[in-house]
Amino acid sequence: DAKTTQPPSMDCAEGRAANLPCNHSTISGNEYVYWYRQIHSQGPQYIIHGLKNNETNEMASLIITEDRKSSTLILPHATLRDTAVYYCIVLGLPNFGNEKLTFGTGTRLTIIP
Amino acid sequence: NAGVTQTPKFRILKIGQSMTLQCAQDMNHNYMYWYRQDPGMGLKLIYYSVGAGITDKGEVPNGYNVSRSTTEDFPLRLELAAPSQTSVYFCASSYSQGASEKLFFGSGTQLSVL
Repeated sequence: DAKTTQPPSMDCAEGRAANLPCNHSTISGNEYVYWYRQIHSQGPQYIIHGLKNNETNEMASLIITEDRKSSTLILPHATLRDTAVYYCIVLGLPNFGNEKLTFGTGTRLTIIP
Repeated sequence: NAGVTQTPKFRILKIGQSMTLQCAQDMNHNYMYWYRQDPGMGLKLIYYSVGAGITDKGEVPNGYNVSRSTTEDFPLRLELAAPSQTSVYFCASSYSQGASEKLFFGSGTQLSVL
């Protein structure tokens, strides 16, 4: 019972913005949207998370639609080091704890030189 | 801070052998987790711990055991290795359990059981 849907793969030209979509149509009002990424052979790395409002940090921006049924992770100026698998995860009450984080197969983003 | 440290990085076991995967964190995190990742797949939670002396099963605990005698260390034990346990194992930690707390991962242990 997948809670999120992501495209299996995407390409992006180096220096351009990479926009990674995620559908979470069954999200409930108290569930957060998380993004992690996993660079080849490494452990996943936290990128950003949000509840309702758009969020920005030094790595990326997260845009959540007003109905919260989908979101987009934006890497503003993609570099070759951003090539990775990106995981979109929803998590919140009643299954609130980090032990409930479920990493599916994500989107494999390839940055093209 | 070293973050989350896993040892060894690689290991080959024969069927039926046992071993312990080590995990240590120096961030004073209460919560620690063990995941496995099979080729081309996502991560699956094996066990987790909410503090010293407290552990609980995750999604795929069979064939594994854990202990948490200190806040810093969370070793994963394989008693009778089987080919189905060939995988990459990741340890992670977080300060608390809350949904706004992010996980910090180690660099993984690649295990092959032949």
